[in-house]
Amino acid sequence: EVQLVESGGGLVQPGGSLRLSCAASGFTFSSYWMSWVRQAPGKGLEWVTNIKRDGSEKYYVDSVKGRFTVSRDNAKNSLYLHMSSLRADDTAVYYCARVDDGATLDYWGRGTLVTVSS
Amino acid sequence: DVVMTQSPLFLPVTLGQPASISCRSSQDLVYSDGNTYLNWFQQRPGQSPRRLIYEVSKRHFGVPDRFSGSGSGTDFTLKISRVEAEDVGVYYCMQGTHWPPITFGQGTRLEIK
Repeated sequence: EVQLVESGGGLVQPGGSLRLSCAASGFTFSSYWMSWVRQAPGKGLEWVTNIKRDGSEKYYVDSVKGRFTVSRDNAKNSLYLHMSSLRADDTAVYYCARVDDGATLDYWGRGTLVTVSS
Repeated sequence: DVVMTQSPLFLPVTLGQPASISCRSSQDLVYSDGNTYLNWFQQRPGQSPRRLIYEVSKRHFGVPDRFSGSGSGTDFTLKISRVEAEDVGVYYCMQGTHWPPITFGQGTRLEIK
């Protein structure tokens, strides 16, 4: 069974940093692209970033470029999102998702809440 | 960026009746390999999204056959043949053809009348 479990969310001040983690199990992690998607409170879904199987390619939504960095450790079956220069509008539940063929997100974790506030 | 526009945004439905959600893209979603990477997701209250449909009309493993997807080019539809209570939630379309960025529709909230 595919499982994705996010952690690392919490309350952070504007301008601060946070690192999210996603622990994957139930599939060969190194064979899949992975993604982060976020959802602000009461709002819709927003794609944040994708990372290739070996970490050699990374893509970001414009609003986080230069502030967020995605990475992975295939030996640990883990995906990460390092977020810096955080702003109030980064407040959201952050979901980790597996990317299937055609950039479809076939399995999602339960998410971790990031709140940016002073 | 490809803009995905859903309608309606709110959909009250009587139990046992059909429901239909439209999704239109600002660009043709046929990829160079001939596939169309249009997906539908369901998000039940308090839950994470789950994939229902991929490549326009293919049902994800375990999705009931009362859910079906159709369409081509820029116009797509998700249909529920007979709405059940567990179908309450928000439905999103998403395109994976022209990325980055991957883009979602605004969401359609389905409720029981």
